[in-house]
Amino acid sequence: AQSVTQPDIHITVSEGASLELRCNYSYGATPYLFWYVQSPGQGLQLLLKYFSGDTLVQGIKGFEAEFKRSQSSFNLRKPSVHWSDAAEYFCAVGARAAGNKLTFGGGTRVLVKP
Amino acid sequence: NAGVTQTPKFRVLKTGQSMTLLCAQDMNHEYMYWYRQDPGMGLRLIHYSVGEGTTAKGEVPDGYNVSRLKKQNFLLGLESAAPSQTSVYFCASRTVRGGANTEAFFGQGTRLTVV
Repeated sequence: AQSVTQPDIHITVSEGASLELRCNYSYGATPYLFWYVQSPGQGLQLLLKYFSGDTLVQGIKGFEAEFKRSQSSFNLRKPSVHWSDAAEYFCAVGARAAGNKLTFGGGTRVLVKP
Repeated sequence: NAGVTQTPKFRVLKTGQSMTLLCAQDMNHEYMYWYRQDPGMGLRLIHYSVGEGTTAKGEVPDGYNVSRLKKQNFLLGLESAAPSQTSVYFCASRTVRGGANTEAFFGQGTRLTVV
């Protein structure tokens, strides 16, 4: 069975500083990997996804993520955060089996200090 | 573009009451999902459907039932609500056209409180 671990429950970062969110996955084959963002009271919005090819993927809002097979990781980064990046971020792994179910990590809540 | 719409957005139930959450999508997606979100636990899959008339259990199906009588609708039922079902419920849909890496689109969520 697939699983996702996000080790950091909360991260506080100053506006303008860089941000890195960690994600480790467990899956028996090449995974499909996703990062979603959830603003307060909102649904989830896709930031980026990886399924094959270049291991560094670019997403919306200036985010990028790097797939490292040897480390079973898919960490999300942003060079310079904005106050509007305060939200909860979820990493997810997609199964290629029937149902293409997404399994989510526990989430990382990002707080941005002015 | 409506996307995925969940009804209602908020609800308070008494223990033992029943209710149905409605999810509607207008994107002609084949797959639909119900998740529940609890603090620190991310989103956990309750039930899902790979097409009209089919449903399957997810990670935490107990206490819930679902139906997919029409392709665009996916209903989640609570037969006898319990306080442990207090949560935020999200519906999602995705297409299989283009491969299994397609993104899931989420509704705005339903905040359910069982007292």
